[in-house]
Amino acid sequence: EADIYQTPRYLVIGTGKKITLECSQTMGHDKMYWYQQDPGMELHLIHYSYGVNSTEKGDLSSESTVSRIRTEHFPLTLESARPSHTSQYLCASSELWFRTTGELFFGEGSRLTVL
Amino acid sequence: KNEVEQSPQNLTAQEGEFITINCSYSVGISALHWLQQHPGGGIVSLFMLSSGKKKHGRLIATINIQEKHSSLHITASHPRDSAVYICAVSRNYGGSQGNLIFGKGTKLSVKP
Repeated sequence: EADIYQTPRYLVIGTGKKITLECSQTMGHDKMYWYQQDPGMELHLIHYSYGVNSTEKGDLSSESTVSRIRTEHFPLTLESARPSHTSQYLCASSELWFRTTGELFFGEGSRLTVL
Repeated sequence: KNEVEQSPQNLTAQEGEFITINCSYSVGISALHWLQQHPGGGIVSLFMLSSGKKKHGRLIATINIQEKHSSLHITASHPRDSAVYICAVSRNYGGSQGNLIFGKGTKLSVKP
């Protein structure tokens, strides 16, 4: 069973609010990811990190920001939520690709609804 | 055209049937992943393979690197196998090396 946790699982908020989605893993993985998934659609990478103090933008443009101050923690923040941000956000982690076969471990997801 | 294509998009089977889900890709890869996503949204990694074949219980995954094609087979399917099965590939080049490209998934429903 994967040791990667996301909170909150579900969140309904009003437009303009600042939100932070939390993601923590206890596997000591260097690489962490945030994916966005709309219903019935494929996952899109929005942010990733190779380790502490490393953050990179993914393939899908996003108004969110991330930080990586500790290895185990990779929070995602939206400064001013809008209805277009309504989606499911999935956090994942893996060892760096050159150290291992790169299996991904996913959190349970955070389903965000912005009214 | 998506770099990772899955077929079929939707699949309904009777309990006990043998199921095959296909995945084709058009980029150079270092590995291919099969993932399972349950209705609640959580995703579990089933297989990661770069050649040949892997088996875990009733699940079998194969890959043909020359043809850029992989299949996921489920033997003796059961209603608890109902989920979305996602194919994803790891790029083997460029700055985003190791990041995955995902297919849209195959929604499987197994009826009792």
